[in-house]
Amino acid sequence: QVHLQQWGAGLLKPSETLSLTCAVYDGSFSTYYWSWIRQPPGRGLEWIGEINHNGSTNCNPSLKSRVAFSVDTSDNHFSLKLTSVTAADTAVYYCARTDLVTDAFDIWGQGTMVTVSS
Amino acid sequence: QSVLTQPPSASGTPGQRVTISCSGSSSNIGSNTVNWYQQLPGTAPKLLIYSNDQRPSGVPDRFSDSKSGTSASLAISGLQSEDEADYFCAAWDDSLHSYVFGTGTEVSVL
Repeated sequence: QVHLQQWGAGLLKPSETLSLTCAVYDGSFSTYYWSWIRQPPGRGLEWIGEINHNGSTNCNPSLKSRVAFSVDTSDNHFSLKLTSVTAADTAVYYCARTDLVTDAFDIWGQGTMVTVSS
Repeated sequence: QSVLTQPPSASGTPGQRVTISCSGSSSNIGSNTVNWYQQLPGTAPKLLIYSNDQRPSGVPDRFSDSKSGTSASLAISGLQSEDEADYFCAAWDDSLHSYVFGTGTEVSVL
């Protein structure tokens, strides 16, 4: 059964770089796109962007200048970096599998709370 | 930023039918598939309905959706206490070149 396990630093200072990684277990890594989605405390969901096994990416235009995605096909990991963070980037960050046929995020990671505070 | 508009809350008694609306535009709901997610308190969202009323394995058929023009709706029939959660709609937006989510609806069982 497909399982996503994510990790990364949970406390950052303003201007630092957020870095998160998501491992895909039994998930047909080369068949899907892999997304990052965030949720500020008490608020809704925001799609950050996605990457596939070839390194092809799509990104939310509102974050594009600060976001970088990477993929490691040797052990089915994908990663997110978000530079120059501010308090507005405080959120729970989720990784998720994206089915491009249905446009559905059908498998989600457990989420990582990232707090930006001086 | 949420591009799709949902009512902030909805409620019903056990066994009732509850409907949640999701309002968008021609660049998202009007031209692309709408999917629905359920988020139980303190957990990650879970795909609830996708691709025109399809349900992943394990999702009861009490949940259904419909779409008309630039609006979609999720219906929960036979409301149960375990349905208390936040519900989000989502779609690809051709103008923003991005997936967009609804503002979210908190469902309470009275």
